[in-house]
Amino acid sequence: QQQVKQSPQSLIVQKGGIPIINCAYENTAFDYFPWYQQFPGKGPALLIAIRPDVSEKKEGRFTISFNKSAKQFSLHIMDSQPGDSATYFCAATTGNQFYFGTGTSLTVIP
Amino acid sequence: NAGVMQNPRHLVRRRGQEARLRCSPMKGHSHVYWYRQLPEEGLKFMVYLQKENIIDESGMPKERFSAEFPKEGPSILRIQQVVRGDSAAYFCASSQQRGTADTQYFGPGTRLTVL
Repeated sequence: QQQVKQSPQSLIVQKGGIPIINCAYENTAFDYFPWYQQFPGKGPALLIAIRPDVSEKKEGRFTISFNKSAKQFSLHIMDSQPGDSATYFCAATTGNQFYFGTGTSLTVIP
Repeated sequence: NAGVMQNPRHLVRRRGQEARLRCSPMKGHSHVYWYRQLPEEGLKFMVYLQKENIIDESGMPKERFSAEFPKEGPSILRIQQVVRGDSAAYFCASSQQRGTADTQYFGPGTRLTVL
């Protein structure tokens, strides 16, 4: 059973566009929601994270929107660049374990 | 401050051999997590360890797989009698403390290929 559902599976945008990646969860015990960026052949790297007591968090061009009542959160990438092309994973955690989404492959076309 | 280190980066084994994957956590981190990633899939939790203790191994197959994190030295993920289905990228992550809001930092992974 997938604890965190992520969509879309892949996404193609033009440079300067705003790709949006969505995640949904069921377990209300989750209390920390990080996003990871992974380039081919590399390990996932933390991008940005949010706690459920905050509805939005922005770091540079990356923004997380969090809707606690809907149990959904999303990643927005402003002014996307070709260098943002990577796979993005959302995650949710409580206690020991992180549960990861299945990933979104983002391609930003120059 | 060195990040999480994993070795080898690539490992090739024939069916029936043993695979040993090593992970050195970030300095000051005493919590280690192992994940498996199959092509086109997300990360699947395998096991969570602290020094000398296995805290949660609920994601690890009951047979052929084992993990340890000794008092001295790296954490080891051991796969005995490997099969083709074990081919995957294995990632180790470490964190400073247990519990909520403590970020896991990932190593570069070990890519295991079983011939």
